[in-house]
Amino acid sequence: ETGVTQSPTHLIKTRGQQVTLRCSSQSGHNTVSWYQQALGQGPQFIFQYYREEENGRGNFPPRFSGLQFPNYSSELNVNALELDDSALYLCASSRWVGKNIQYFGAGTRLSVL
Amino acid sequence: AQTVTQSQPEMSVQEAETVTLSCTYDTSESDYYLFWYKQPPSRQMILVIRQEAYKQQNATENRFSVNFQKAAKSFSLKISDSQLGDAAMYFCAYRSETNFGNEKLTFGTGTRLTIIP
Repeated sequence: ETGVTQSPTHLIKTRGQQVTLRCSSQSGHNTVSWYQQALGQGPQFIFQYYREEENGRGNFPPRFSGLQFPNYSSELNVNALELDDSALYLCASSRWVGKNIQYFGAGTRLSVL
Repeated sequence: AQTVTQSQPEMSVQEAETVTLSCTYDTSESDYYLFWYKQPPSRQMILVIRQEAYKQQNATENRFSVNFQKAAKSFSLKISDSQLGDAAMYFCAYRSETNFGNEKLTFGTGTRLTIIP
């Protein structure tokens, strides 16, 4: 167990809806990264938060947004859901020091119908 | 941009035998980190082993070791004495040396490892 928890485990939404996924960081970690893993693919970086500010973003549209809270937990919000948003969403936490390692949660499986 | 390639979608090995998973990457950077992560059916990505590019010595963690060839941009994972619990998807990943705002991991497409009893 890594100490990174994500909720919910599974989620079903319809196209056009909005969704919020949650991540609780491992104790002592102040950085959270979000990844999208489509079926049969490797994870793709969405964005990273450090001390409540976005710190780096991958090739994802603005309808993917996030928040980090003072306790370093985080949310991923996706607006106007599309069928291609169906994927496993992984959260990873780390400490902002050199050579940090990202520790992953078990992910949220999102299905968009 | 960096890319990571895993050319073996699936591999299988007899229990107690040794298997090697391949990974190549492309980068223009000289300092970076390479990782192997394991993703079992439980979906949680678990760190197996890490290699710092400036270190010439290959990393080892118990039954897991890497063959890091920096000039060839190759980073293979060797699993010795394979066990049933090693069955999983294995992902090779790249990360730049700390460069503020560039902490992302770039993953390959994965290799599914099956252990034959």
